[in-house]
Amino acid sequence: EAQVTQNPRYLITVTGKKLTVTCSQNMNHEYMSWYRQDPGLGLRQIYYSMNVEVTDKGDVPEGYKVSRKEKRNFPLILESPSPNQTSLYFCASCLGGGLYGYTFGSGTRLTVV
Amino acid sequence: ELKVEQNPLFLSMQEGKNYTIYCNYSTTSDRLYWYRQDPGKSLESLFVLLSNGAVKQEGRLMASLDTKARLSTLHITAAVHDLSATYFCAVDMSGYALNFGKGTSLLVTP
Repeated sequence: EAQVTQNPRYLITVTGKKLTVTCSQNMNHEYMSWYRQDPGLGLRQIYYSMNVEVTDKGDVPEGYKVSRKEKRNFPLILESPSPNQTSLYFCASCLGGGLYGYTFGSGTRLTVV
Repeated sequence: ELKVEQNPLFLSMQEGKNYTIYCNYSTTSDRLYWYRQDPGKSLESLFVLLSNGAVKQEGRLMASLDTKARLSTLHITAAVHDLSATYFCAVDMSGYALNFGKGTSLLVTP
């Protein structure tokens, strides 16, 4: 089944403890990105990657890192999480610049206390 | 800066009724997407609209795109309870970033 897989689905962590949210897609998509969803603010892009070793900032990149060493994987790294990074995170991927639509992962609900 | 505005943001409608959700955007684009989200769930792709005048239908939902007016509509025909969800439109201006509207929370009541 073609899909974008995120792990973990739920995560509670403490301020300052480094964490990684993984994202993997099995559709050979060049493009991958991360969004966060917050009440009242909607969905905002954090980082995106056009292909292996090519990444760039989205609208809200502060406090996040990404890497794209393999085409299928695009992990989101929070080096020192803070409570304002408590959010619902989605990974997405697409082929052909979005001509066929974007596929979203199932989401990761992160709580930083 | 691209702005994407949906209205209404909240919609309560009776089963069997018709209604339209509007999505206006501020900058020229010919790529518009509609998604559905159930509470706590992921975004499910409904429609991909890629050209002026595009119209797509799936079941009780029909989406259209007018790039000249910078407007897309999502029309609901004879609503049923299963359509209760939040609907998002998203505009892709650059090929690498989706700009989402705030979403329309739809509640279909008996």
